Amino acid sequence: EVQLVESGGGLVQPGRSLKLSCAASGFTYSNYVMAWVRQAPTKGLEWVASISTGGGNTYYRDSVKGRFTISRDNAKNTLYLQIDSLRSEDTATYYCAKQDLYDYYFDYWGQGVMVTVSS
Amino acid sequence: DIVLTQSPALAVSLGQRATISCRASQSVSISRYNLMHWYQQKPGQQPKLLIYRASNLASGIPARFSGSGSGTDFTLTINPVQADDIATYYCQQSRESPRTFGAGTKLELK
Repeated sequence: EVQLVESGGGLVQPGRSLKLSCAASGFTYSNYVMAWVRQAPTKGLEWVASISTGGGNTYYRDSVKGRFTISRDNAKNTLYLQIDSLRSEDTATYYCAKQDLYDYYFDYWGQGVMVTVSS
Repeated sequence: DIVLTQSPALAVSLGQRATISCRASQSVSISRYNLMHWYQQKPGQQPKLLIYRASNLASGIPARFSGSGSGTDFTLTINPVQADDIATYYCQQSRESPRTFGAGTKLELK
């Protein structure tokens, strides 16, 4: 059974940093592209970033480029999202998602972790 | 960016058919591949993949869910609607980056 378990969220002041983690199990983690998708309170879904199987290629939405860093540790079956210079508009639930290799849909999702940016 | 437009809400009676639409601002099809996908999200839960590539049922999803469409117009059909289907439904395109989602259609009971 595929499992994705996020951690690392919380209440953070604007301008500070946070690192989210996602522990994966139930599939051959190193063979799959992984992604982060976020959802602001009462809003829709927004793709944030993706990372290739080996970690050498990363992709971001324009609004987070330069502040967000996606990475992975295939030895630990873990995905990360480093968020710097947090802004109020980053307040959201962040989901880790397994991405289909060819058609780029998200076939499994974690339960999500909440990030609240507030002073 | 490709914009996906969904109606905000749809009211349906149990046992009836629900048809949820998604319109893309430009074609999301490449050759015979229709790169539109559908998700279900219940309150307080993560999204769940229902349909991939417009018409393919994801693993474990009941056959009362089906998808159709090509180019810019796509449809998710639930027939018959059951109480467990009350949720918000999102379409998502993977034709271009950034991968974008529709704003969601909330399925409500009439």
